[in-house]
Formats: sequence, structure tokens, C-alpha cells
Amino acid sequence: NAGVTQTPKFRVLKTGQSMTLLCAQDMNHEYMYWYRQDPGMGLRLIHYSVGEGTTAKGEVPDGYNVSRLKKQNFLLGLESAAPSQTSVYFCASMTSGIYEQYFGPGTRLTVT
Amino acid sequence: GEDVEQSLFLSVREGDSSVINCTYTDSSSTYLYWYKQEPGAGLQLLTYIFSNMDMKQDQRLTVLLNKKDKHLSLRIADTQTGDSAIYFCAESRAIYGGATNKLIFGTGTLLAVQP
Repeated sequence: NAGVTQTPKFRVLKTGQSMTLLCAQDMNHEYMYWYRQDPGMGLRLIHYSVGEGTTAKGEVPDGYNVSRLKKQNFLLGLESAAPSQTSVYFCASMTSGIYEQYFGPGTRLTVT
Repeated sequence: GEDVEQSLFLSVREGDSSVINCTYTDSSSTYLYWYKQEPGAGLQLLTYIFSNMDMKQDQRLTVLLNKKDKHLSLRIADTQTGDSAIYFCAESRAIYGGATNKLIFGTGTLLAVQP
């Protein structure tokens, strides 16, 4: 099992550009999450999904959209990137009844 | 508020014990977690404790939970240089009508192990 994978690992965007981050898990987990990690602030939840086709907002959803068309994939989109979205983005997944979230390796995004 | 608080830095000598402390806010949190993050890497789940437990031991790791004070600690026995990393505590909060939970993370404690 690869676990949770994220692509790309690094990306530099100019303000106003768009991009999509891909998270994939091969553990058949129902729940998937996107977090961002900023210095001195820990990780904060952006959006999450409780199943295929169902998404919900977390603590810091503004400027992001998500989609979960397939159970194993959870996409995070930035329609018009801003410097405030410079961060490290982590995806996580979890199965029902076992309260362990497994994290991917992260995507480091810089918006100039 | 939702703040989970940790001290920012801890330095120990190899072979000593390390104790990383955390205070959380929600007394209804069901699970409390410790994650480890090495430089440039993702978060690795080290251990977690259910809220009705006081202590959990797993090899060199001991987690102590004081629910009255909302205090969680992680003790690493015989600390090695490979334990150098950032350690995050996290509490769980039910979301989506209780169907799942989200994690509220502390800011992380950087553990530096001196040889």
C-alpha cells in the first residue's frame, strides 16, 4: 500500500493563477481531509469529505474548492491564488470507526 | 477558543528522557493524539489516547492524560538523535453531525536531541 500520496510536492504560482492539488489514498478510507500548515499556527482544516460526492467546509475554506468524484481521490483547487495561500498543504484520510488520520507527505506551495 | 498549546522548543541529551507537554481546550474531546514531523516530511501518528484513560504506554513512549487540567504529556524514554523532530499534540472534535472528527493541532514542539 502506498498510503496517502500527494501531487505535486512543490509548486510556485503567480498571484491570480489557478491550480489543483491531488490527494490519493489506496486504503479504501471513507473520510478525507485537506489541512494547511503555517509557521507558528499548527495545522488547520480547510475542507473535508465524508464520502464520494460529499464535501464540507472546515475552519479556513475561503479561496479553496474541493471535489471528491472518486472515493480514493480528493482534489483541492485554488481558483485565483493569493500570497496568503503560501503554505504547506497536507491531505489525510481515515476509515470509519478507527479514529486515526493518516497524512500524506505534503505539498509546498509558494504564491508570489 | 480552539487553541491547543505547546511549548515551542525542548533540548535534551541523548539517553535522557524527554517530556513534551500540551494543554487542550475541549473537555469533550474523545481522542488525543501525538504526531511526529521530521524535516520536510508529513505527519506520522505516534500514539493516541482515549479520553477515559489516564495513561498509555507503547515501547519508549508514555502518554499521560489529566482530564481535570486538560493536560496531555508525551514522555520519550532513552531519547535518541533520531527522535529529533517536531511533535504535535492534537485533540479531536466531532463534525458533520458526529459522523467524523477533525483534529485541532497545537503549534508543535521542536525536540532537539544533543549527542
